[in-house]
Amino acid sequence: GESVGLHLPTLSVQEGDNSIINCAYSNSASDYFIWYKQESGKGPQFIIDIRSNMDKRQGQRVTVLLNKTVKHLSLQIAATQPGDSAVYFCAENMENYGQNFVFGPGTRLSVLP
Amino acid sequence: NAGVMQNPRHLVRRRGQEARLRCSPMKGHSHVYWYRQLPEEGLKFMVYLQKENIIDESGMPKERFSAEFPKEGPSILRIQQVVRGDSAAYFCASSLDRGNTEAFFGQGTRLTVV
Repeated sequence: GESVGLHLPTLSVQEGDNSIINCAYSNSASDYFIWYKQESGKGPQFIIDIRSNMDKRQGQRVTVLLNKTVKHLSLQIAATQPGDSAVYFCAENMENYGQNFVFGPGTRLSVLP
Repeated sequence: NAGVMQNPRHLVRRRGQEARLRCSPMKGHSHVYWYRQLPEEGLKFMVYLQKENIIDESGMPKERFSAEFPKEGPSILRIQQVVRGDSAAYFCASSLDRGNTEAFFGQGTRLTVV
């Protein structure tokens, strides 16, 4: 079946640098995407979302980019901090399909001092 | 203004026993979703419920698993005759509405079958 996948299973960055986490999705009908952050022993925490009628959305220190042509999604974290260390998941969904999001396996972000 | 509440946080069951996982959605939310997560893996959708109705159970195993969301009280995910392969973290999420809206997750229940 179709699924969401991630290019890098682990990512290590220096504190203060920018982080880029990538995600490839294969379902061309998906039109809503969310990035979640999951810290050890906790539930996923919503970071930012984007709909398919947009190609960029910014939040506080985070930016999500969507390239529908190549079915690629990325999460950019500016000035990465130790508290950003976590596993990041992208998830895709089709409009009016409830919350049957398809999650990728996740990327572990480690922030080095 | 509590978030999604799941209990218990940790549950240990012997093979063959029953596991009951509870989820209280955020106040005002009537849409509940259950996901399962194995270590170092992503979340796998199990079931989507509204009050008193199962909307989508395409991710639920055909046997031993059931879910409900009664008019009053929390949503319950029930696993009968647990096996070691059921060991996982089970997360519940709730949303205000269906469709492309933000879902808030609980802290999960970690089920260990011994």
